[in-house]
Amino acid sequence: ETGVTQSPTHLIKTRGQQVTLRCSSQSGHNTVSWYQQALGQGPQFIFQYYREEENGRGNFPPRFSGLQFPNYSSELNVNALELDDSALYLCASSRDGSSYNEQFFGPGTRLTVL
Amino acid sequence: DAKTTQPNSMESNEEEPVHLPCNHSTISGTDYIHWYRQLPSQGPEYVIHGLTSNVNNRMASLAIAEDRKSSTLILHRATLRDAAVYYCIPQMTGGFKTIFGAGTRLFVKA
Repeated sequence: ETGVTQSPTHLIKTRGQQVTLRCSSQSGHNTVSWYQQALGQGPQFIFQYYREEENGRGNFPPRFSGLQFPNYSSELNVNALELDDSALYLCASSRDGSSYNEQFFGPGTRLTVL
Repeated sequence: DAKTTQPNSMESNEEEPVHLPCNHSTISGTDYIHWYRQLPSQGPEYVIHGLTSNVNNRMASLAIAEDRKSSTLILHRATLRDAAVYYCIPQMTGGFKTIFGAGTRLFVKA
């Protein structure tokens, strides 16, 4: 059984640019959640996708957007990057659209915005 | 969303039991209590969850207070590999959002 994978591992961008991060969910999982983790803090929920639809969203502006594909992999897009967007971005997959179900996290993508 | 309070850090000796407390006094009657941990340079991993009664699995035990306003994660014999940040998370059945607090950083001494 393949676990959750994320790409790229690290990324450096400049302020104002756009970035796309990718996540492959675990086999049999139809739900992907994305989190932002600043240094020294707990992960902050961005949004969740269930069967290709956004299922819920945290307190993040619209320049954070996402997609989920028919194979349940997912993308996180961030437009107009700001310095504060520098963080570790985590995705987690689970079953059936509920965060109650055990979430399996990927290793994260470290984004640095200069 | 229920608020949680956990110690910022705790220290344990290897091979000794560790009791990690969590206060969740505003938890609703239908929220489960989930625990995740995050090892250095990794994403969080699920540890255990429960509703009212105590729970055991191969990783840990979860003791839930009778009034459900607090819980304790118990690692029976801490190892160096257990050094991590431990998060206590009230989780609504059918909810879509997971709210992580700051967690407790556990240090394990050899």
